[in-house]
Amino acid sequence: GQQVMQIPQYQHVQEGEDFTTYCNSSTTLSNIQWYKQRPGGHPVFLIQLVKSGEVKKQKRLTFQFGEAKKNSSLHITATQTTDVGTYFCAQYNFNKFYFGSGTKLNVKP
Amino acid sequence: DTEVTQTPKHLVMGMTNKKSLKCEQHMGHRAMYWYKQKAKKPPELMFVYSYEKLSINESVPSRFSPECPNSSLLNLHLHALQPEDSALYLCASSRGGVVAGWDEQYFGPGTRLTVT
Repeated sequence: GQQVMQIPQYQHVQEGEDFTTYCNSSTTLSNIQWYKQRPGGHPVFLIQLVKSGEVKKQKRLTFQFGEAKKNSSLHITATQTTDVGTYFCAQYNFNKFYFGSGTKLNVKP
Repeated sequence: DTEVTQTPKHLVMGMTNKKSLKCEQHMGHRAMYWYKQKAKKPPELMFVYSYEKLSINESVPSRFSPECPNSSLLNLHLHALQPEDSALYLCASSRGGVVAGWDEQYFGPGTRLTVT
């Protein structure tokens, strides 16, 4: 079954507002990946985090891996309508690969 | 070419039919995956082929039968499906085999399957 929980499940923001989704695990993660799926589309890889406390940035997106490697976050600064979609974290552990439950982001223009 | 292609885009089949889903990539990737995604849910891993060998089967019912004819192609053969098998079936590929760790996955657009 799923081992990573994401919160919130849904987020509605006004364009220009910030957005954060959190991914939490009860066990230590070896790594975490983030994907974005647009409505009607397929998942697209965003980033992979491996090191404890790692922070990576992609333009307006900031990804963090917790110090204990049990949680991760994705923060979007000044959302745009192109950010609409569902953001999934995903993790693997030996022969198991799980997507988190996802956070659906809606951005109002 | 960083594209994974899937055919058909849509498929409607009866419970007694036999059909196949096809997936192709020309990125030289050595791992290929099948996922099932129900509406408003995350993708669920079904099968993984690593270096053309089935390396992971997530306890998928035998009415789903994967096949990897070569390193670029992946098929999913369907037989005697149930209405609850209706879903989006996604194919993905990644550079390395899963033994080395799970690389970033490139997903195809999916086949939307309806079982009547």
